[in-house]
Amino acid sequence: EADIYQTPRYLVIGTGKKITLECSQTMGHDKMYWYQQDPGMELHLIHYSYGVNSTEKGDLSSESTVSRIRTEHFPLTLESARPSHTSQYLCASSARAVAAYEQYFGPGTRLTVT
Amino acid sequence: ILNVEQSPQSLHVQEGDSTNFTCSFPSSNFYALHWYRWETAKSPEALFVMTLNGDEKKKGRISATLNTKEGYSYLYIKGSQPEDSATYLCAFFDAAGNKLTFGGGTRVLVKP
Repeated sequence: EADIYQTPRYLVIGTGKKITLECSQTMGHDKMYWYQQDPGMELHLIHYSYGVNSTEKGDLSSESTVSRIRTEHFPLTLESARPSHTSQYLCASSARAVAAYEQYFGPGTRLTVT
Repeated sequence: ILNVEQSPQSLHVQEGDSTNFTCSFPSSNFYALHWYRWETAKSPEALFVMTLNGDEKKKGRISATLNTKEGYSYLYIKGSQPEDSATYLCAFFDAAGNKLTFGGGTRVLVKP
């Protein structure tokens, strides 16, 4: 069982609120990722990190921001939530030493912005 | 953005039947091809990580083949069971990048 955690699992919040989705892993993986899932279940990469103090934007443009101050922690922040941000957000981690960057996924956060 | 395509998008299989579906990916700058199984209300879990042309992997009734020269991989399910119902995602890891590009998935529903 993978040791990667996300909180909260479900969040319903009003427009304009600031939110932070938490992601932590205890496997010492250097790479971490945030994916957004569309209704058809396709995963789109929105942010990734090579390691501490490294963050990159993914293939899908996102108004969210991320930080990587500690290896194990990769939080995602939305400064002002909007209904268009309603989605499932999945966090994942990987490491070269683990089978060609096999990804370990967290349980996801289902965000609803009203 | 790299193009990773899966077909079909969905398929219904009768219990006991075998099935297969395809993932196509760029044939250049190959590093690895991953297959993930994603059950409803759960997280995606890795099935196979394939790195060599001609590689074949097997886990129980599920197996996969890889052709990096022509850019495709097949996933096979032999004697499908209802517990095989899930979305199967493939993902391409290129040599230049540090990230996976996922296909749209094939949703498999096995009917008793």
